[in-house]
Amino acid sequence: EAQVTQNPRYLITVTGKKLTVTCSQNMNHEYMSWYRQDPGLGLRQIYYSMNVEVTDKGDVPEGYKVSRKEKRNFPLILESPSPNQTSLYFCASGIGGGRSEQYFGPGTRLTVT
Amino acid sequence: AQTVTQSQPEMSVQEAETVTLSCTYDTSESDYYLFWYKQPPSRQMILVIRQEAYKQQNATENRFSVNFQKAAKSFSLKISDSQLGDAAMYFCAYRSGLPYSGAGSYQLTFGKGTKLSVIP
Repeated sequence: EAQVTQNPRYLITVTGKKLTVTCSQNMNHEYMSWYRQDPGLGLRQIYYSMNVEVTDKGDVPEGYKVSRKEKRNFPLILESPSPNQTSLYFCASGIGGGRSEQYFGPGTRLTVT
Repeated sequence: AQTVTQSQPEMSVQEAETVTLSCTYDTSESDYYLFWYKQPPSRQMILVIRQEAYKQQNATENRFSVNFQKAAKSFSLKISDSQLGDAAMYFCAYRSGLPYSGAGSYQLTFGKGTKLSVIP
């Protein structure tokens, strides 16, 4: 089954404790992206990647890091989480180019206390 | 920068009736894509329908159709024969059609969403 998976689905952590949210897709997509969703703000892009070793900032990159060492994986790293990073996070992937669809993972609910 | 506006934070519809969700966008580009995503209580983001700006014909997917008015920069979603399972948050989204140039042109820009309730 073609899908985007994220782990963990739920995470409660404390300020300053490094964490990684994993994202993996099995569709051989070149493009992958991270979004955060906050009430009243919709979804906003954090980082994206056009291919292996090619990443760039989205609209709200502060406090986040990413890496793309393999085509299928695109982890989101919070080196020192803060309460304002409490949010719902989505990973998405797509072919890019003229094929416009992006497929979303199930979301990760992160709470930073 | 492109912006997407959904002016209706909440809407409700009687089961089996028709409802239209509004979306307007602002862009200076001529080539782009528009989408409606559905987010049910499970929080999964589900693609409902998409529209290519170069196509004049409005997209349809079963009970879902759009009214795309390019000159007015309007992209509304019509849900016919509403069902209880249609209750969800609906997001309108924009994506540039420009080829990638290091400027994040594959980024989806979302509206703030419309919460749709379906009344039995």
